[in-house]
Amino acid sequence: DAGVTQSPTHLIKTRGQQVTLRCSPKSGHDTVSWYQQALGQGPQFIFQYYEEEERQRGNFPDRFSGHQFPNYSSELNVNALLLGDSALYLCASRGQDNSPLHFGNGTRLTVT
Amino acid sequence: EDQVTQSPEALRLQEGESSSLNCSYTVSGLRGLFWYRQDPGKGPEFLFTLYSAGEEKEKERLKATLTKKESFLHITAPKPEDSATYLCAVKAAGNKLTFGGGTRVLVKP
Repeated sequence: DAGVTQSPTHLIKTRGQQVTLRCSPKSGHDTVSWYQQALGQGPQFIFQYYEEEERQRGNFPDRFSGHQFPNYSSELNVNALLLGDSALYLCASRGQDNSPLHFGNGTRLTVT
Repeated sequence: EDQVTQSPEALRLQEGESSSLNCSYTVSGLRGLFWYRQDPGKGPEFLFTLYSAGEEKEKERLKATLTKKESFLHITAPKPEDSATYLCAVKAAGNKLTFGGGTRVLVKP
C-alpha cells in the first residue's frame, strides 16, 4: 500500500521563476494538505484541498496556489520565487475527519 | 492564535537514559494533540493522537501524556534508533495542524 508520494524530491530554481510540486495521496485518502518546513523549524500550514476546492488557508501570500484533481492528487504552485521560499515542502493526506495526517517525504526546493 | 512551544530544542542521551520532552500549547477548542517523529530527509511519521486531559498512549519505548496546557513524550531506556526530531502539533478549528519547532533527540550508544 503506497503512502503519500511527492515529486520531484529535489528542485533548484532561480529567484523570480515559478515552480510546480506534485503529490499523490495515500490510497483511500481524499483530503490533501501542504506544509512548508524551513530548516530547523516545524512545518507551517499552507492550505488544504478537499473535493477539488481549497478549504482552508494559512498565512501565505497569493503567490502560493494549488489544485486538486478528480483522482485526489494535488499540485502546489509558487510564482515569483524568493530566496525565502527555500524549504522542504510536505504534502499530507487523510481520510475521515480527525484521522491523523500521513506525510510524504517532501520536495526540497532551493531558490538561488 | 494557536501556539505550540517544544522544549528542550535538543537532547543528548546515553543509551538507556530515560527522559521527557515537553510540548506546551495555547489553543481555543483542542480537537487533538499529535506527536510525530521525523528522521533527516524524511517526512514526519505519525506516532500518537491525544484528545483529552489525562489521556495516555504508549508505543514501544514511547509514552505520551496530555494535560490541559501541555503534553509530555517520555522515552524509556532509549536506543540509538530512537534518535530523531520529535514534533508536537495541535488541531483546533478547521483542519490545519499547528506545529512546534521540534526537539532533536540524539541517543549515543
